[in-house]
Amino acid sequence: DTAVSQTPKYLVTQMGNDKSIKCEQNLGHDTMYWYKQDSKKFLKIMFSYNNKELIINETVPNRFSPKSPDKAHLNLHINSLELGDSAVYFCASSQDQGTGETQYFGPGTRLLVL
Amino acid sequence: RKEVEQDPGPFNVPEGATVAFNCTYSNSASQSFFWYRQDCRKEPKLLMSVYSSGNEDGRFTAQLNRASQYISLLIRDSKLSDSATYLCVVNIAGYSTLTFGKGTMLLVSP
Repeated sequence: DTAVSQTPKYLVTQMGNDKSIKCEQNLGHDTMYWYKQDSKKFLKIMFSYNNKELIINETVPNRFSPKSPDKAHLNLHINSLELGDSAVYFCASSQDQGTGETQYFGPGTRLLVL
Repeated sequence: RKEVEQDPGPFNVPEGATVAFNCTYSNSASQSFFWYRQDCRKEPKLLMSVYSSGNEDGRFTAQLNRASQYISLLIRDSKLSDSATYLCVVNIAGYSTLTFGKGTMLLVSP
């Protein structure tokens, strides 16, 4: 019954590999997000989608490509992984993209690039 | 200047103590304000929204001072289970995303 779920929970991989993280929400929300939390615990927005449409694309290397097959799913594909990509990646969702909307976070995917 | 600034702590307090966290934000167009809580190795979760008039939820009281661009969170009668990182979060008018502070760590000891 998890509201926002992510897979995998842990991901250990070598530099240069390509990997994907999946996210699903069963809350019926229209807006989904990807955040990156680095080793200093700073949580930063990467992408925002509303009804499968890209709304926000912060300054993120184009090795990162989000895909939203439907409004309940927002996946993140990362090409040519680098050491600096090691972080915790959180998916989140909100009812809409309004300024007062509560965001619900998934449990996070801990990515370690060796 | 960072958009949302918080004292990282940690704040070490005994059970039963009252503790207050402060947060400043740089963008005067900020429209919505929140406190999120993040437990160790867990995801952030909404603790409470912050309203202009101030609001209270049990042992937690949040205040907003728009003139000084300042938000506070007061926790009374601290419990061991309050140990976590408290994230100050603002939403800037016209933007659909949240801007997070780096968080203030609270450690409540027996």
